[in-house]
Amino acid sequence: GAVVSQHPSWVICKSGTSVKIECRSLDFQATTMFWYRQFPKQSLMLMATSNEGSKATYEQGVEKDKFLINHASLTLSTLTVTSAHPEDSSFYICSARSGVGNTEAFFGQGTRLTVV
Amino acid sequence: GDSVTQMEGPVTLSEEAFLTINCTYTATGYPSLFWYVQYPGEGLQLLLKATKADDKGSNKGFEATYRKETTSFHLEKGSVQVSDSAVYFCALRGYSSASKIIFGSGTRLSIRP
Repeated sequence: GAVVSQHPSWVICKSGTSVKIECRSLDFQATTMFWYRQFPKQSLMLMATSNEGSKATYEQGVEKDKFLINHASLTLSTLTVTSAHPEDSSFYICSARSGVGNTEAFFGQGTRLTVV
Repeated sequence: GDSVTQMEGPVTLSEEAFLTINCTYTATGYPSLFWYVQYPGEGLQLLLKATKADDKGSNKGFEATYRKETTSFHLEKGSVQVSDSAVYFCALRGYSSASKIIFGSGTRLSIRP
């Protein structure tokens, strides 16, 4: 299957700083990328959907000014957690899809963010 | 809205036991159904999928059949191994161009040697 690479795999940052997570589709063009958040022992919660070249669509309850998503190219999307706080500590996973409709989405390996 | 209800875990089995993890869904139209697996410290991997009623998805000895009449997509494996220990997520995706994947709560599976 297609490969989605997420970087970094883990990051520790201080409260108040910003952290950027990258999601790349290595061997296909991702017209749509999804960002999920996973709390310990819980399911994945969709945070936002981004389409290349347009603004991301955020799920209800997700602060778009805190979680900045940029999908500037067909192979790269970034999630920036701004002014991070300990409650932002979580496992963040991206997913990428190449087309519309019934096409498969591929997942990155996830990024574990710890805010101290 | 669309939703997925998944058997709660954790599930602990002995090696070579038979596995069933139940999954039912609520959706309009004809969604695609998936099982994803997450090994410790890793992201999700697609395990199997089915895109229409009566389809059977299979991979690595796991199987699931898309049952529209019971709105179910139960995961089964005849003989589990220690290496199958992971968290399993049932998921669905609608067919519209704006469809997103909706996940169940996940079932943690532990296999004893």
